[in-house]
Amino acid sequence: KNEVEQSPQNLTAQEGEFITINCSYSVGISALHWLQQHPGGGIVSLFMLSSGKKKHGRLIATINIQEKHSSLHITASHPRDSAVYICAVRYYNTDKLIFGTGTRLQVFP
Amino acid sequence: DTEVTQTPKHLVMGMTNKKSLKCEQHMGHRAMYWYKQKAKKPPELMFVYSYEKLSINESVPSRFSPECPNSSLLNLHLHALQPEDSALYLCASSDEGSSYEQYFGPGTRLTVT
Repeated sequence: KNEVEQSPQNLTAQEGEFITINCSYSVGISALHWLQQHPGGGIVSLFMLSSGKKKHGRLIATINIQEKHSSLHITASHPRDSAVYICAVRYYNTDKLIFGTGTRLQVFP
Repeated sequence: DTEVTQTPKHLVMGMTNKKSLKCEQHMGHRAMYWYKQKAKKPPELMFVYSYEKLSINESVPSRFSPECPNSSLLNLHLHALQPEDSALYLCASSDEGSSYEQYFGPGTRLTVT
């Protein structure tokens, strides 16, 4: 069992739909990262969270420390949001990120 | 400047070649990372340098040799690679304190023939 579980693995949506990607982890962490990777491309850091909620444009990330769960929401999805979204956690006193397996999102016009 | 740069973008090498990948950041970050990513898989950590010293080596084969000449530069020296080493190699950097956010480079796509 992966230490960081993401769901769904694959997601298709119509343009304009509200999208939610979930991430759960098993032990206490110092921070959780949401990353975006377009096909063949490098990785972009979207959010780093240790508590609460963050918003950037149409993207919202939330984390529930007690439940060990985080969600990434995309409002008014657009085809350019098509990418792999990766959740990664950092434990205390380490530089190492533990990655989830990613969620492949395709948004159709 | 919040950019991590990597060169080359693409590299094709034979199994007997010696080549190097280069990564550079000018954000004053104290930690730099090498990751290997196979298709449709998440990145796998290879090495971490902290304050120019190797702090994490994830049991990577010796045909991969990292080097951190200074706080802005990170190299990955490649020698006698195997075809299964073909992958996207990503570099990242991060700082300490309230933000451990990692900034990733665009990657070097390596093909070993």
